[in-house]
Amino acid sequence: DQQVKQNSPSLSVQEGRISILNCDYTNSMFDYFLWYKKYPAEGPTFLISISSIKDKNEDGRFTVFLNKSAKHLSLHIVPSQPGDSAVYFCATPLGGSEKLVFGKGTKLTVNP
Amino acid sequence: KAGVTQTPRYLIKTRGQQVTLSCSPISGHRSVSWYQQTPGQGLQFLFEYFSETQRNKGNFPGRFSGRQFSNSRSEMNVSTLELGDSALYLCASSLDSSIYGYTFGSGTRLTVV
Repeated sequence: DQQVKQNSPSLSVQEGRISILNCDYTNSMFDYFLWYKKYPAEGPTFLISISSIKDKNEDGRFTVFLNKSAKHLSLHIVPSQPGDSAVYFCATPLGGSEKLVFGKGTKLTVNP
Repeated sequence: KAGVTQTPRYLIKTRGQQVTLSCSPISGHRSVSWYQQTPGQGLQFLFEYFSETQRNKGNFPGRFSGRQFSNSRSEMNVSTLELGDSALYLCASSLDSSIYGYTFGSGTRLTVV
C-alpha cells in the first residue's frame, strides 16, 4: 500500500499561472517532506522541503504547504514557467533518515 | 565538483541474463543508495550502502544485490533478469548516510527483452 500518494499523474497549466501539485500521506508520524523535480534523462533534483513543525515553506517561486490534520501537502509554483515542465515527486524519510519513500510523481506541463 | 556518475547510461539485456550497474558518488560521499523507477511504481528504494556495509534494504527479491567498494563506488547486480526489471535505476550519494543531502545520478536505463 502506498504511503505517499500523488493522485494526479499529470497537470497542464498556462505560463504565468499558478501550478498546484498535491501529495497525500498515510502515516501521521511522518514529519519531514521533500519535493524533487525530474527532467527526462536526468536524476531527480531536490527542490524544497518542509518539516512538520511548519505549515509553510517558501523559496522563490516555490511554496510548500503542509496540512497535518489532513495528511496533505501541496507545492505551489507561481508564476509557472515553461522550464518548470518536469515530473515532480514528493517524498518522505522512512525508517530514520536513510531512505526515502516517493510518490509516483506528477508530470507538469507549462504551456507558453 | 563532479556529480554522481552512473554507467552505462543505457543497457539492453535478454531475459535470464544478469547485469551489473555502476555508480561513482561525489568525492567524499560515503553513502550510496539505489532506487528503481518504473512508470507503474514510481521511485522505489532498493538498498543503501555506507562505508562498504549495507545499511538498509528495500522490498526487492534476492535477485537484486549490491556492494560498495573502499573508494565508495557502488555496483548493483540483477541476476536472472525478468521483463519487469526494465526500469531506470538511479543512485544517490550523500556525505553522511542522510537523505537530506542526496544527490542523484542521471540513472541507467535498463531494458529487458
